[in-house]
Amino acid sequence: SAVISQKPSRDICQRGTSLTIQCQVDSQVTMMFWYRQQPGQSLTLIATANQGSEATYESGFVIDKFPISRPNLTFSTLTVSNMSPEDSSIYLCSVTEGGIGEPQHFGDGTRLSIL
Amino acid sequence: AQSVTQLDSHVSVSEGTPVLLRCNYSSSYSPSLFWYVQHPNKGLQLLLKYTSAATLVKGINGFEAEFKKSETSFHLTKPSAHMSDAAEYFCVVSDRSGGYNKLIFGAGTRLAVHP
Repeated sequence: SAVISQKPSRDICQRGTSLTIQCQVDSQVTMMFWYRQQPGQSLTLIATANQGSEATYESGFVIDKFPISRPNLTFSTLTVSNMSPEDSSIYLCSVTEGGIGEPQHFGDGTRLSIL
Repeated sequence: AQSVTQLDSHVSVSEGTPVLLRCNYSSSYSPSLFWYVQHPNKGLQLLLKYTSAATLVKGINGFEAEFKKSETSFHLTKPSAHMSDAAEYFCVVSDRSGGYNKLIFGAGTRLAVHP
């Protein structure tokens, strides 16, 4: 399965600032996904990122807060903008190598704390 | 709409005893179901998947799950728990309604293994 690397692995940021998280895959994939995992909670999909098109955001998430780039088939970034303590979470990227109904493979996540 | 309910938020077992983590799903069509494990400070690892083939699915590390359509269940079992099995486990259903591979996560079950 694909190997996914996320940077940074963790960070502590000041409120009002922005942080860009990088996701690198060792093979070309069509679809990449970004999830948020709030403390003690399950995963919630933020958006789906396809190369060459705008990201598709889930209900409750907007592009101004979570802009996403997908410049090629192996790389994506998620920016968390104008951060507040409520943004303290683990952010994970994932990819799927198969068709619809196949599992996704996840990176180790970025652990973000906002002071 | 697809949904997943994990019936236990916490399960505690002794090392060497069986593990049972319960999951019920709701799906308007034949689902794809997965179990993922998340160890502390790590990303998610796929344990096993059901994609309409054999109803008894074997996964990694001795885990298996049985798909029971009549009961809409996909419980995860292991005959003998090991200390290294202590982690968070997520039951996941694939939502194909959007034409892509959106995953719906259960709330998670935290497994504790005692000596």
